[in-house]
Amino acid sequence: NAGVTQTPKFQVLKTGQSMTLQCAQDMNHEYMSWYRQDPGMGLRLIHYSVGAGITDQGEVPNGYNVSRSTTEDFPLRLLSAAPSQTSVYFCASSYSGTSGTGELFFGEGSRLTVL
Amino acid sequence: DAKTTQPTSMDCAEGRAANLPCNHSTISGNEYVYWYRQIHSQGPQYIIHGLKNNETNEMASLIITEDRKSSTLILPHATLRDTAVYYCIVRRRLYSNDYKLSFGAGTTVTVRA
Repeated sequence: NAGVTQTPKFQVLKTGQSMTLQCAQDMNHEYMSWYRQDPGMGLRLIHYSVGAGITDQGEVPNGYNVSRSTTEDFPLRLLSAAPSQTSVYFCASSYSGTSGTGELFFGEGSRLTVL
Repeated sequence: DAKTTQPTSMDCAEGRAANLPCNHSTISGNEYVYWYRQIHSQGPQYIIHGLKNNETNEMASLIITEDRKSSTLILPHATLRDTAVYYCIVRRRLYSNDYKLSFGAGTTVTVRA
């Protein structure tokens, strides 16, 4: 059981480039989300999804796109990278509603640097 | 979701109990208290959660005051591996909007030998 898998673990981009951070979970979780964590800060929610075909914005959605075509995958797209998007990105998933404990399962993070 | 207030940092001696406070004075009746921790730069890890009763698992105990306005996470015998940032979060569990969670700065706990 792999849990939540994020790729790549490290990425360096130039300003204006685009890229996709991949997130996959094998726990059949309905809910998936993306967070970013800047140095010395807590985690801020970017986008989330409560099921395939359903996505919504979090606290800091600007500059990012998401889609949820399958239960397992929730990719995060940076359309035109900016230095302000230099951060560590975490993907998380959980069961929805009252299923399970409501626990969020996190990936190991993707460290992005935009030059 | 209710806001939480935690101390910025605290130290603890190895082998002693670590008591981490969290204030959530605006908590609603259907909101749970969750605790997570983040070791170094890893993804956060779930520790425990509760509604109004005290809870215990293999990692920690959670004590919630009777008025539910504050709680304490207890690590009974802290080890060096418990050095981490600890996050206290309150949330509902029934509605899709309940997943709009953000984690604040948390409490940086340093366990010293």
